[in-house]
Amino acid sequence: DTAVSQTPKYLVTQMGNDKSIKCEQNLGHDTMYWYKQDSKKFLKIMFSYNNKELIINETVPNRFSPKSPDKAHLNLHINSLELGDSAVYFCASSPRGTSGGAHRHEQYFGPGTRLTVT
Amino acid sequence: GQQVMQIPQYQHVQEGEDFTTYCNSSTTLSNIQWYKQRPGGHPVFLIQLVKSGEVKKQKRLTFQFGEAKKNSSLHITATQTTDVGTYFCAGRASGSRLTFGEGTQLTVNP
Repeated sequence: DTAVSQTPKYLVTQMGNDKSIKCEQNLGHDTMYWYKQDSKKFLKIMFSYNNKELIINETVPNRFSPKSPDKAHLNLHINSLELGDSAVYFCASSPRGTSGGAHRHEQYFGPGTRLTVT
Repeated sequence: GQQVMQIPQYQHVQEGEDFTTYCNSSTTLSNIQWYKQRPGGHPVFLIQLVKSGEVKKQKRLTFQFGEAKKNSSLHITATQTTDVGTYFCAGRASGSRLTFGEGTQLTVNP
């Protein structure tokens, strides 16, 4: 019944490893996002996909690669993990795209994945 | 680019006191949203404001959108321990993406 789900919830790994986080939404939304939240609670958008097409790619190292096999799934793969990658990563979805004009585009967040790089 | 600034970053109150967080945008917004994140949880959508000067209430929470659509506030009357969390505003200018403020972390002492 969970609207936006992420796996895993916790991820502890060593520097240099490659890891993936999976996200699925069953809300029928067209747009999905990845956010990074640091220890100060700042929420930074990383990527956004609309109907499997990348529409936002913020200044994120190219070690981070999102993949959207279909509009209900948006996965995040991270290569060569670094200490600074430690954070909580949230997946989210919204019922509208990010270009203007829409009146309803509230974001539904997943439970988050706490990544710790040692 | 569009910036959304939120103050204060932290607020500690005694239970029963009122609380207000303020959000200011560098550009005119089409709409503004507010979210609440409980400790250890994820942001949860509270409300969206669209009209200039709009005021909406949810029980003890009052949300305002400024006349110029560049600022907003969230006011909580008589805080309770269940109000603890981080409150985020998120604004969208026409043709732009949603931008989150830095959040206000609220602690309530019983």
